[in-house]
Amino acid sequence: DAGVIQSPRHEVTEMGQEVTLRCKPISGHDYLFWYRQTMMRGLELLIYFNNNVPIDDSGMPEDRFSAKMPNASFSTLKIQPSEPRDSAVYFCASSSTSTTYGYTFGSGTRLTVV
Amino acid sequence: QQQVKQSPQSLIVQKGGISIINCAYENTAFDYFPWYQQFPGKGPALLIAIRPDVSEKKEGRFTISFNKSAKQFSLHIMDSQPGDSATYFCAASMQSAGNKLTFGGGTRVLVKP
Repeated sequence: DAGVIQSPRHEVTEMGQEVTLRCKPISGHDYLFWYRQTMMRGLELLIYFNNNVPIDDSGMPEDRFSAKMPNASFSTLKIQPSEPRDSAVYFCASSSTSTTYGYTFGSGTRLTVV
Repeated sequence: QQQVKQSPQSLIVQKGGISIINCAYENTAFDYFPWYQQFPGKGPALLIAIRPDVSEKKEGRFTISFNKSAKQFSLHIMDSQPGDSATYFCAASMQSAGNKLTFGGGTRVLVKP
């Protein structure tokens, strides 16, 4: 099992540009979570999906952020337009209700907006 | 609202010593309490977890102690090793909320050789 796969690993973009982060969850997992990690705010849940349906997006900071899960094996987090304060590490995680509650995290995408 | 409070923020321990990290939660509906370990440049990885019907769980050198009445739980790392140097996060979730994890603020542990 390759685990949760995120791309790109690093992204540097200019303020105002669109950024798209990608995630491939573990096959068979029915939950997918997007988290953001910063020194100031720690790990924050942005949005999560169950069976490809968004369940809770209350953590999405503002309308500039959007997430989709068109199928069980792919999800995107888009920021448009990006701002310097969006600089953070973005993690995707997946889990399955048929096993324990534990999440499996990807290695993250380090986003820098200049 | 910070539903899971973690302390200390950082910890330095000598090799062979005991590392203790504490967490407190507010929501009595939480029914699952995992600990995650994160190394630099990596995502958090599940280390050990406990349910509220158990007061203690041990896996190797790692032990969770759980106090339901006090709404507190802690991680003990026995015989700490330099390879244990990492950031540790406690978390809590409830099945009724889709297993959504709420994380504590993290504790950076440094084990000196």
